[in-house]
Amino acid sequence: ILNVEQSPQSLHVQEGDSTNFTCSFPSSNFYALHWYRWETAKSPEALFVMTLNGDEKKKGRISATLNTKEGYSYLYIKGSQPEDSATYLCAPYTDKLIFGTGTRLQVFP
Amino acid sequence: GAGVSQTPSNKVTEKGKYVELRCDPISGHTALYWYRQSLGQGPEFLIYFQGTGAADDSGLPNDRFFAVRPEGSVSTLKIQRTERGDSAVYLCASSPTPGSSYNEQFFGPGTRLTVL
Repeated sequence: ILNVEQSPQSLHVQEGDSTNFTCSFPSSNFYALHWYRWETAKSPEALFVMTLNGDEKKKGRISATLNTKEGYSYLYIKGSQPEDSATYLCAPYTDKLIFGTGTRLQVFP
Repeated sequence: GAGVSQTPSNKVTEKGKYVELRCDPISGHTALYWYRQSLGQGPEFLIYFQGTGAADDSGLPNDRFFAVRPEGSVSTLKIQRTERGDSAVYLCASSPTPGSSYNEQFFGPGTRLTVL
């Protein structure tokens, strides 16, 4: 069973701060790395699907990188806003999505 | 357009009872997935349907859990003789392309099941 670890478990930042969190997983035996964002009382929403070593994706103030050789991905948020408050989940895809426990981000105004 | 919907949004039941959770995927999506998120954990895969058939049910924890998708659209997750440990948020997701690592899955808002 793939062990997916995310750190930190939770994070509290001030509006305007930039932040990043980590997803680590065994470096072999997966085909893609998914990032999802899950706001309270809403549905999880896909942010990125990353497939290649060195892949980098960006959507507005949020970006992600992937290192398949060493088995980690970073998610960055530049200039955090209160609406970024959510749980961020990563999930390597083997023959199914294997989710980490998530990083819960709270951005205070 | 309509996203994935799940009913009920909340279900409280007593230990030993039978429950059914329903998922309406996005129209035209052939792949459908069920996940369970227990407190403090990430979503955990339960079962994957390609069309009407269960292509992978390796995540179902035991034979009290069963899921169907008789017409290839709506799916029902059925739990018999519920136990307190079954309390969790049950998530459903659908995808237009079956079994693809590259396509995002579209999630519903989940059903929160509480077994007293």
